[in-house]
Amino acid sequence: DADVTQTPRNRITKTGKRIMLECSQTKGHDRMYWYRQDPGLGLRLIYYSFDVKDINKGEISDGYSVSRQAQAKFSLSLESAIPNQTALYFCATSDPPMGGLSQPQHFGDGTRLSIL
Amino acid sequence: AQSVTQLDSQVPVFEEAPVELRCNYSSSVSVYLFWYVQYPNQGLQLLLKYLSGSTLVKGINGFEAEFNKSQTSFHLRKPSVHISDTAEYFCAVSDRGDKIIFGKGTRLHILP
Repeated sequence: DADVTQTPRNRITKTGKRIMLECSQTKGHDRMYWYRQDPGLGLRLIYYSFDVKDINKGEISDGYSVSRQAQAKFSLSLESAIPNQTALYFCATSDPPMGGLSQPQHFGDGTRLSIL
Repeated sequence: AQSVTQLDSQVPVFEEAPVELRCNYSSSVSVYLFWYVQYPNQGLQLLLKYLSGSTLVKGINGFEAEFNKSQTSFHLRKPSVHISDTAEYFCAVSDRGDKIIFGKGTRLHILP
């Protein structure tokens, strides 16, 4: 089983609909992240959470919201989807820095979201 | 503020030839550097990381990278590529360990 699981893997929906993307992890990591990937733009951070009570905006949080329901679960919502939110969305997890050293992130397989 | 520049959006290479994927970074403090690989229809996987110590870092699948502080570079190399190396490669940088900033990616095309 995957350590970081995203559901759904694919979703097509219409403009104005509310969408929720879910992420669950079995790695026991405190830190969780949501990114979107667009061709030629790499990965851009939407929101991140360092523990259940901590939520932080990333560089492109407008139009998105998140909920950290438990250490293992971090969901991303689009309250009213618009076509330019069509993208590949990734959830990632990591440990906090250890000995002052940054730790790598572990990614899910992504959710491909198309908004018509 | 930290940033990452991947100088090539696409790199075509013949099978069994060597390859270098370039990455330059900017940061005002100590940096931690990563290379990730994304195979088609998959998430990103860690290839290798530089946190401290030896500037030559070896990763999975025969890849290695060299941290060059004076040139602010962290280029990825492989002496002989295989068709299975076809993927997109992302360089990433972190400074205080709070967030990782990703480059825009380099698509590696292996030619038969």
